[in-house]
Amino acid sequence: GAVVSQHPSWVICKSGTSVKIECRSLDFQATTMFWYRQFPKQSLMLMATSNEGSKATYEQGVEKDKFLINHASLTLSTLTVTSAHPEDSSFYICSASENRGRFEQYFGPGTRLTVT
Amino acid sequence: LAKTTQPISMDSYEGQEVNITCSHNNIATNDYITWYQQFPSQGPRFIIQGYKTKVTNEVASLFIPADRKSSTLSLPRVSLSDTAVYYCLVGDGGTALIFGKGTTLSVSS
Repeated sequence: GAVVSQHPSWVICKSGTSVKIECRSLDFQATTMFWYRQFPKQSLMLMATSNEGSKATYEQGVEKDKFLINHASLTLSTLTVTSAHPEDSSFYICSASENRGRFEQYFGPGTRLTVT
Repeated sequence: LAKTTQPISMDSYEGQEVNITCSHNNIATNDYITWYQQFPSQGPRFIIQGYKTKVTNEVASLFIPADRKSSTLSLPRVSLSDTAVYYCLVGDGGTALIFGKGTTLSVSS
């Protein structure tokens, strides 16, 4: 099946700094990618939908100025957490769809962000 | 709001068959039903997908009745390594999947 990678797999940053997380579709082109956040013992929460070449669509309650999403190519989307705070510590997961007659979404392995 | 409802948890023993049922009363005509498995600190992993009737692959079967308002994931002969959270989702692939709470399956020896 199709593979989605994320980088880094984990990151620790200091409060007030920014961190960028990359999501790549390795063997297919993804016009749409999705970003989720997952807190411990909870389900995945959709943060935003990212379309190649256009602005991301954010879910209600997600600050678009804090979570910057860029989808510059058909294989790469990035999530930048700006001015990170400890409450932003979470597991961030991206997914991408290969909508060629199939309707699966492929998920990345996730990125563990810890803000100290 | 999640489009699906599943039992919060299930317990089983190794070697048994496990059936997890999911309700999706408001499924749309274009929606497929997809099940994912998630281990702690990992992204969800695709298990199986179907539109109607029965689908089987090397790891699971998916049963979907004619009205498509529910579906049942069947895991044959589970092992300890099948302990995970299982999510049932509906969607058309191009739109975001809205996760419910999932079903935590615990397999014991």
